[in-house]
Amino acid sequence: GAGVSQSPSNKVTEKGKDVELRCDPISGHTALYWYRQSLGQGLEFLIYFQGNSAPDKSGLPSDRFSAERTGGSVSTLTIQRTQQEDSAVYLCASSLELRSGYTFGSGTRLTVV
Amino acid sequence: GQQLNQSPQSMFIQEGEDVSMNCTSSSIFNTWLWYKQDPGEGPVLLIALYKAGELTSNGRLTAQFGITRKDSFLNISASIPSDVGIYFCAGQSSNSGYALNFGKGTSLLVTP
Repeated sequence: GAGVSQSPSNKVTEKGKDVELRCDPISGHTALYWYRQSLGQGLEFLIYFQGNSAPDKSGLPSDRFSAERTGGSVSTLTIQRTQQEDSAVYLCASSLELRSGYTFGSGTRLTVV
Repeated sequence: GQQLNQSPQSMFIQEGEDVSMNCTSSSIFNTWLWYKQDPGEGPVLLIALYKAGELTSNGRLTAQFGITRKDSFLNISASIPSDVGIYFCAGQSSNSGYALNFGKGTSLLVTP
């Protein structure tokens, strides 16, 4: 597609439920990144994928968080047993290769009540 | 990740004024980037800097990669109302692979 597409744009969930956030990167981009942005804060790195290499999961805050990327394209970020502190905007980005200047999607705003 | 200190936290200026904001780091970065974020949108890359001392312009925006590799600044000249938004610096180091460390942002308000 023309840009990085994320869905849903907004998600409200009850504490303890699992959620899945989807990212559709720019066609042909081999690198995909997930970041989290809490209210009034900068972006916090979560995970990145590059081609068929093992993902860098060093930013995932707990084992409740996981992500996968199928077929080198679409990625899903899963948060299990959501907590209120998981409330944030989850941003996905992609790039043609492992370059610093990547393109972000508009994000999924997750609210845990 | 490394702590990035971005200042000022917010700025309220009149149209036509010049703006300057900066970021400092406790450790060395290989790359400095500046992004702008509008409400409800993801950040958009403004300028990327890859070499210490590099000075790069993009229209009315100018950014520099500090010679110590621990700081960067962004200047906006002759501000206009559409410059309103949150500006983030981001740095990438050899220790962080391709993950970026972001500052907390500078919120810019421009009055006509």
